Amino acid sequence: DVKVTQSSRYLVKRTGEKVFLECVQDMDHENMFWYRQDPGLGLRLIYFSYDVKMKEKGDIPEGYSVSREKKERFSLILESASTNQTSMYLCAAAQYSSYNEQFFGPGTRLTVL
Amino acid sequence: SQQGEEDPQALSIQEGENATMNCSYKTSINNLQWYRQNSGRGLVHLILIRSNEREKHSGRLRVTLDTSKKSSSLLITASRAADTASYFCATEFNFGNEKLTFGTGTRLTIIP
Repeated sequence: DVKVTQSSRYLVKRTGEKVFLECVQDMDHENMFWYRQDPGLGLRLIYFSYDVKMKEKGDIPEGYSVSREKKERFSLILESASTNQTSMYLCAAAQYSSYNEQFFGPGTRLTVL
Repeated sequence: SQQGEEDPQALSIQEGENATMNCSYKTSINNLQWYRQNSGRGLVHLILIRSNEREKHSGRLRVTLDTSKKSSSLLITASRAADTASYFCATEFNFGNEKLTFGTGTRLTIIP
């Protein structure tokens, strides 16, 4: 089974801090995704990557950037955290083609004070 | 928004009963998937149904897809306390970019 790990389960940061959320997958999957999950809004795609150094904006990329220097690692960066970025962040990985399920990490609950 | 919507938002049933959740979406799809999320955890894939399929089974799960109505349903038979979770439908639209668009979820509670 694909295992997707995220660097922290819980994180508390202050407004204006730079925040790094790390995601690592162990099954050589090409596609990786970052979502945020908020009550009543479901999961919304922030960014995704289909190859090393490749990235595409999702539905809500504003205030975020990403980095994929190695195939197994996909990082989400909040350049200057704001309180409205308090959320649950979920990383996922999938094989490169249609009809493939996404494998999710356990999530990072980020609180920005 | 192209987001799918689940109905109902919340559902409580007695253990042993069947649970049915519905999902509606707005544009043509390649496939539709259902995921489960236990409280505060990541999502787990349950089942995928392709756009040319009408019904699919996996254990106690039965999924139907009606592309003419742009809707799907997930049936869980003989529910168990461990089925308590949130359930999300996710659609891959038919321009093949492998992104999934998730609905807002149905919160299912099984009462022992």
